[in-house]
Amino acid sequence: AQKITQTQPGMFVQEKEAVTLDCTYDTSDQSYGLFWYKQPSSGEMIFLIYQGSYDEQNATEGRYSLNFQKARKSANLVISASQLGDSAMYFCAMREGPGTNFGNEKLTFGTGTRLTIIP
Amino acid sequence: DVKVTQSSRYLVKRTGEKVFLECVQDMDHENMFWYRQDPGLGLRLIYFSYDVKMKEKGDIPEGYSVSREKKERFSLILESASTNQTSMYLCASSPDILGRGNQPQHFGDGTRLSIL
Repeated sequence: AQKITQTQPGMFVQEKEAVTLDCTYDTSDQSYGLFWYKQPSSGEMIFLIYQGSYDEQNATEGRYSLNFQKARKSANLVISASQLGDSAMYFCAMREGPGTNFGNEKLTFGTGTRLTIIP
Repeated sequence: DVKVTQSSRYLVKRTGEKVFLECVQDMDHENMFWYRQDPGLGLRLIYFSYDVKMKEKGDIPEGYSVSREKKERFSLILESASTNQTSMYLCASSPDILGRGNQPQHFGDGTRLSIL
């Protein structure tokens, strides 16, 4: 079974609109973390935002926010007021288990969503 | 800023060659990782290391080995390159979590490897 599922292979969004990128996850651990990365066409992976399983508030970083619904096991990325520079691949990733054991630093990635912002 | 440097952006090798991909990080991170990225498959973990001379298999270790002789350097080795190893390879590093679960992995720019 997929641990991280991103069901949108590609999305086209008008500039200045908000966009939601979907991510669902599967884990039996109570402690875990969820990450979103952006990969522009140049190839580097850029860390955007993090949500811990015990965090009570949804994470926000500038124009990025995470819509975390624990019961549904979803961690959707919301980008407000999209810009042309937001065009990129976006990956959702999960770290499972408490952060005290070796091996818990591993991340499992989804297959990604290619976002294209239209002027 | 954390800097993860991969030795080559593009590399072309022949089938059967032994291929070395090098990765260096400058932030004294304990953990280092090698992924391969293929269209429609996302990033898949090949090997990772949480200390010098330590290594752990990831999800797709077959056909690969790694070496970590110094803390800052993590090498990926294709013992006998095959065409199905043509891919984008990404190196990453991170500090020990130790209760700080929000520590992200920091990535290099990637090496696009073609095996002919």
